[in-house]
Amino acid sequence: KQEVTQIPAALSVPEGENLVLNCSFTDSAIYNLQWFRQDPGKGLTSLLLIQSSQREQTSGRLNASLDKSSGRSTLYIAASQPGDSATYLCAIIQGAQKLVFGQGTRLTINP
Amino acid sequence: DTEVTQTPKHLVMGMTNKKSLKCEQHMGHRAMYWYKQKAKKPPELMFVYSYEKLSINESVPSRFSPECPNSSLLNLHLHALQPEDSALYLCASSPTGGGSVAKNIQYFGAGTRLSVL
Repeated sequence: KQEVTQIPAALSVPEGENLVLNCSFTDSAIYNLQWFRQDPGKGLTSLLLIQSSQREQTSGRLNASLDKSSGRSTLYIAASQPGDSATYLCAIIQGAQKLVFGQGTRLTINP
Repeated sequence: DTEVTQTPKHLVMGMTNKKSLKCEQHMGHRAMYWYKQKAKKPPELMFVYSYEKLSINESVPSRFSPECPNSSLLNLHLHALQPEDSALYLCASSPTGGGSVAKNIQYFGAGTRLSVL
């Protein structure tokens, strides 16, 4: 059974810092890995999707990497801003459209 | 338009009520999903509809009854719920319902906050 772990559970950093969020998974037989952002009480916003054949994806200040052999993905956020404060979830996409989510990292950027 | 619209945004119901949650998308997606999310927990998959047919049911109690009347609409009918069913219910859609999932990004709605008294 696929298990997805995100460390740390919570992170607080000053504005302007670069930071890395971690995601690990137990079964390397994945289709894709997707990073989401969730604001309190709101739905999920897709940030980046990495196909299993790729090693990284970039969108603006965000860069996500994937290392299937080690069962790890990282989300790098450059020059963090207070508006980046949210919960970040990684999810493994396995067969039949099933997403397996990690517990999330609650990120706070302090002005 | 990359929107998935859920109504209502908030719902309070008693344990004997019958209510429905609605989800709509106009992106031409052929797969639609219901998730349940408790506070400070990740979403949990409940149902998947692929080409208007139920393809995944994650052993959800029968007091939750999904319905997909057409490719743009997904309903979740609620009956005789329990207080522990109080949660954020999220709907999502994705372009395809089968075959390659190489570009199968799921788009989520804002959710319905359900409180069962």
